[in-house]
Amino acid sequence: DAGITQSPRHKVTETGTPVTLRCHQTENHRYMYWYRQDPGHGLRLIHYSYGVKDTDKGEVSDGYSVSRSKTEDFLLTLESATSSQTSVYFCAIRAEQETQYFGPGTRLLVL
Amino acid sequence: RKEVEQDPGPFNVPEGATVAFNCTYSNSASQSFFWYRQDCRKEPKLLMSVYSSGNEDGRFTAQLNRASQYISLLIRDSKLSDSATYLCVVNNGRTDKLIFGTGTRLQVFP
Repeated sequence: DAGITQSPRHKVTETGTPVTLRCHQTENHRYMYWYRQDPGHGLRLIHYSYGVKDTDKGEVSDGYSVSRSKTEDFLLTLESATSSQTSVYFCAIRAEQETQYFGPGTRLLVL
Repeated sequence: RKEVEQDPGPFNVPEGATVAFNCTYSNSASQSFFWYRQDCRKEPKLLMSVYSSGNEDGRFTAQLNRASQYISLLIRDSKLSDSATYLCVVNNGRTDKLIFGTGTRLQVFP
């Protein structure tokens, strides 16, 4: 257990509304990641962080922003949710030898 | 060409069978390789890292062929509990990003 929690675990929202997902870790890992997982695409990196206030884009970052004001929390914001952002969102931390450990995921439905 | 390619399956095998999955990757600069397991509606979980010399963990054996840029996972004496999707994962040549395959689904039947 890598001590990673995500909230909320499920969310239904409407197109055009802002949504923030939270990832919380208890083990002081420097690197944190946000992925989305969709059928046929596997896990795709949205954004990642390599320290407090240090973030960078992944391959599918359009429409998403992130913030990391504390080591333990990494927030993912959908500024104006669209139906194409309906997905399962996983947060991960990087541990030893580049291994990554995942949170339980957030299922987001945008109507 | 996808950076990491896997046969999506499903592989349907009886209990006790031996099954092998292969995965190819396109970035010759990749240095780290892993197999993850993902159960339905759950998060991916690290199964094992893959080392150049090959490595074994109980019934699971992983192999790396750098020249041909492929990774394999062998499962011996399959159990019902092995039913899951197996994700092939490689790093992108840098140390901060991993690339995930779309997974191979395994179904073990009694």
